[in-house]
Amino acid sequence: QSVLTQPPSVSGAPGQRVTISCTGSNSDIGAGLDVNWYQQLPGTAPKLVIYGNNKRPSGVPDRFSGSRSGTSASLAITGLQAEDEADYYCQSYDSILIGYVFGTGTKVTVL
Amino acid sequence: EVQLVESGGGLIQPGGSLKLSCAASGFSVTDFYTSWVRQAPEKGLEWVSVIYVGGTTYYADSVKGRFTISRDNSKNTVYLQMSNLRVDDTAVYYCARVPRSHWHHDLWGRGTLVSVSS
Repeated sequence: QSVLTQPPSVSGAPGQRVTISCTGSNSDIGAGLDVNWYQQLPGTAPKLVIYGNNKRPSGVPDRFSGSRSGTSASLAITGLQAEDEADYYCQSYDSILIGYVFGTGTKVTVL
Repeated sequence: EVQLVESGGGLIQPGGSLKLSCAASGFSVTDFYTSWVRQAPEKGLEWVSVIYVGGTTYYADSVKGRFTISRDNSKNTVYLQMSNLRVDDTAVYYCARVPRSHWHHDLWGRGTLVSVSS
């Protein structure tokens, strides 16, 4: 199964802006399929923070934003807070493999 | 309360079988797609299988022919029958809900741990 590529880690000081990239292929992100983002705090289940490329579920702070272009997507966190320290995963759908695909995951550290 | 609760995990020997359950409450499983997603220790998320509203099923290549997803509408529960288990199937297994005609998982259970070891 194909996997979307993310950087292993990013870090930033409180209040700063960090971005996480997610690189796919012409059969998933490049095919126009939605990109979604999940936050996973240690020892807990993933939580949806961005869906449909750039939409925020109810209750998710507007510090989180998403975008998509070509075969890539990105998640931005502005005004970084200590509570944002977690693993983040992108996810899309592969139109050739007929299945969902997740990114490799990025650990966000708040310095 | 709208939630998903997984059960059925445990320690199993290689080659064995196990059946996981995902019980939904607060909504009907027939109104949403349901996925199983797993996470090996200290690893990332891996999609395993999905069952659509009409009953169509799909599987990741890594489990095709060994795992079977099914649904009991009367019990509002989705299952994952796992056979011929391998050591690399060891993971926390999550079930997650996908709104119809969408691609995101908007509700997740807490997961159940499956350990395959001799």
